[in-house]
Amino acid sequence: RKEVEQDPGPFNVPEGATVAFNCTYSNSASQSFFWYRQDCRKEPKLLMSVYSSGNEDGRFTAQLNRASQYISLLIRDSKLSDSATYLCVVNIVRSNYKLTFGKGTLLTVNP
Amino acid sequence: DADVTQTPRNRITKTGKRIMLECSQTKGHDRMYWYRQDPGLGLRLIYYSFDVKDINKGEISDGYSVSRQAQAKFSLSLESAIPNQTALYFCATSAGGRGSSYEQYFGPGTRLTVT
Repeated sequence: RKEVEQDPGPFNVPEGATVAFNCTYSNSASQSFFWYRQDCRKEPKLLMSVYSSGNEDGRFTAQLNRASQYISLLIRDSKLSDSATYLCVVNIVRSNYKLTFGKGTLLTVNP
Repeated sequence: DADVTQTPRNRITKTGKRIMLECSQTKGHDRMYWYRQDPGLGLRLIYYSFDVKDINKGEISDGYSVSRQAQAKFSLSLESAIPNQTALYFCATSAGGRGSSYEQYFGPGTRLTVT
């Protein structure tokens, strides 16, 4: 099983749609979880951390299910500017602050 | 000004040449990382450094070396470049110490082509 596995995508949605990304991780000792966003040929940028109780930042909601080793990202009311690749990222404390990145899911929001 | 900078931004070099990619940061972070990104393979860790005297191999260090010249500077060298080292290279930083968060902040990347 891969350490971090994401929906392969790509996702194509119309403006205003709600889209959900899923991610699973293999190591139950994982401690910290993030969603990063990467625009084409640009650097990954932190979108949001994912907390055990779930957290929301505007149109974005992240959920964590430790029992199922599952992370999700929900984007509501999609904008054209949301078009990007979304990376699920996990830290395992025993790996000393290293992050493990999923391969990403490409989202295209169409007018 | 950007917190994490990389030079050069683009480079084309020939097989067998030595090349150095440089990274500087003004975030005051102790920890620095080098990744490469290839289509379909995601980000892979090459080397990381938790302070000036601490250098560690990542998952794909063969063919690469690094130097941590100062807290703010971390360079990646390809001693003898080969075509399969053609990739997008990112430097990243993170804070360290008790209570620090784990998120990393990336530079803009260096697009390297080895012909």
